[in-house]
Amino acid sequence: GQQLNQSPQSMFIQEGEDVSMNCTSSSIFNTWLWYKQDPGEGPVLLIALYKAGELTSNGRLTAQFGITRKDSFLNISASIPSDVGIYFCAGLLTGGGNKLTFGTGTQLKVEL
Amino acid sequence: GAVVSQHPSRVICKSGTSVKIECRSLDFQATTMFWYRQFPKQSLMLMATSNEGSKATYEQGVEKDKFLINHASLTLSTLTVTSAHPEDSSFYICSATPPAGWDEKLFFGSGTQLSVL
Repeated sequence: GQQLNQSPQSMFIQEGEDVSMNCTSSSIFNTWLWYKQDPGEGPVLLIALYKAGELTSNGRLTAQFGITRKDSFLNISASIPSDVGIYFCAGLLTGGGNKLTFGTGTQLKVEL
Repeated sequence: GAVVSQHPSRVICKSGTSVKIECRSLDFQATTMFWYRQFPKQSLMLMATSNEGSKATYEQGVEKDKFLINHASLTLSTLTVTSAHPEDSSFYICSATPPAGWDEKLFFGSGTQLSVL
């Protein structure tokens, strides 16, 4: 099945640093979603973006829906140890029956 | 908040046996549920879309006779891995679509780790 290209694949950062990851697609989406997945758990929604150009924040998280509707980025400011996990972007196309296409994932590790 | 419950969370079975995984929407009726498979260090790959009262729609490359999906009620979908083999060992995750008008469009279960010996 189709996957979105997500980068970087993994990041190892110091506590307190800012983090940025992005997601690109060859096709457009109407909705971009960012999820975090802890080991052995299902993904948890962090931020949802519904309009091209939209910039949305959720606490220390900020995400943007690219103007072309083919990309999105997620920023995490002042990272803390509990930010450790795998982050996935996901695209949704209206009329696609809520079928999500997931990104390849970014593994985030935070060093104290 | 809304919860999707998945059971069991972990199962170990012998090769050749069948395993059933349940996905329940606890706070809402879900006309559509989705089943994903996730191999270690990989992304979630959609296996099938399950609609209440009708046959599931499988993604390309997913064997419908091996992965039986039943969506008998608006709150329950089941995935049965028939004649499981070691290569079927994976993390299986379901998700459910709440009614129109909800802010969040999709809720995920906590996953089932299947290990086939």
